[in-house]
Amino acid sequence: AQSVSQHNHHVILSEAASLELGCNYSYGGTVNLFWYVQYPGQHLQLLLKYFSGDPLVKGIKGFEAEFIKSKFSFNLRKPSVQWSDTAEYFCAVFYNFNKFYFGSGTKLNVKP
Amino acid sequence: DAGVTQSPTHLIKTRGQQVTLRCSPKSGHDTVSWYQQALGQGPQFIFQYYEEEERQRGNFPDRFSGHQFPNYSSELNVNALLLGDSALYLCASSFDRFGEQYFGPGTRLTVT
Repeated sequence: AQSVSQHNHHVILSEAASLELGCNYSYGGTVNLFWYVQYPGQHLQLLLKYFSGDPLVKGIKGFEAEFIKSKFSFNLRKPSVQWSDTAEYFCAVFYNFNKFYFGSGTKLNVKP
Repeated sequence: DAGVTQSPTHLIKTRGQQVTLRCSPKSGHDTVSWYQQALGQGPQFIFQYYEEEERQRGNFPDRFSGHQFPNYSSELNVNALLLGDSALYLCASSFDRFGEQYFGPGTRLTVT
């Protein structure tokens, strides 16, 4: 069965630190990849997505992610985090235009 | 432009009862997907409705059923509720079956 793994469950950073959140998925054919964010008290919203083309994708609020097909990874990065980035981040994979699988999420706490 | 709306916000039911949750998609969207998010976990795909038919289904028992109406709104029904059905139920809509999903605020179901 397909699965999505986020190995960091809780990350604590100081403002201006760099961020990298890991996401690995199991093999399952064609994949479309997403990162969603949930700010405290708000809905899940899309940060960025990869369908095809340039494996380095840029999203909102300075986030980017790199698709490395050989490693089945889609890690999220941001060079310098802000206190307002405190949120829960979910990686999601759409397999074969069929079903969505979400990771278990990473809670990011940015200290001012 | 209203986003995805869900009702009710919170619901408390007794084990063995039945429940119906409702979702109105974002304007212009014709596809609705339902997810279950247990505490501390990522959303798990239940099923997707498109053109009033269930198109894809995750690993959920037949106690979970749904419906999509001609105006694209959707219902999720859960029969014979179990304590383990307690979760946040999320609805997401998209422009088509493969498009970016927009999430609603969810319905918090508590089964006692």
